[in-house]
Amino acid sequence: SQQGEEDPQALSIQEGENATMNCSYKTSINNLQWYRQNSGRGLVHLILIRSNEREKHSGRLRVTLDTSKKSSSLLITASRAADTASYFCATGRGAAGNKLTFGGGTRVLVKP
Amino acid sequence: EAGVTQFPSHSVIEKGQTVTLRCDPISGHDNLYWYRRVMGKEIKFLLHFVKESKQDESGMPNNRFLAERTGGTYSTLKVQPAELEDSGVYFCASSPRQGTYNEQFFGPGTRLTVL
Repeated sequence: SQQGEEDPQALSIQEGENATMNCSYKTSINNLQWYRQNSGRGLVHLILIRSNEREKHSGRLRVTLDTSKKSSSLLITASRAADTASYFCATGRGAAGNKLTFGGGTRVLVKP
Repeated sequence: EAGVTQFPSHSVIEKGQTVTLRCDPISGHDNLYWYRRVMGKEIKFLLHFVKESKQDESGMPNNRFLAERTGGTYSTLKVQPAELEDSGVYFCASSPRQGTYNEQFFGPGTRLTVL
């Protein structure tokens, strides 16, 4: 399997529900980042969590990191139709954690 | 503040031809990265510039790919000659500082189709 592998690959929920997706990785990391990509657009950075952090919040987003299990989760609370997008986790390695390794992404569909 | 821009947005070329992709990072960003996503695969790192210097080019697939960043501003990625397996979306990203954990700001990508 690949570094930064998301699970599930696709998720369909109703507006207002929470969406949870997971990311697993294999090697040690400096940081883990989550990005969103709307159809045909570029990647938008959502949140960065450092390897010494366990949880981080940003608005309706909550990210956890468990370095012992080499996994992270992204929770979107009270989802909206505008949250429909693909979500990617990326692990940062190297001295400055700048070399990102992406997973295959989770496609999220939020139905109104 | 303008974001990362890439040109062209789409390019369709025939196998054996040459294509040059351009990326303009956010002004003042020292770090510039190239990534690509080929069909059905993950987004893969190609290389990283710090100003005009190549910091890490470990992801460049072969010597048909040449990246430059003369003057430390915009960057070009040339594919010569293009092969069918080069088709995909090429993303450029930039970040402001070296030595810290930075979010990377991505451009919209260039979709390359090699026929």
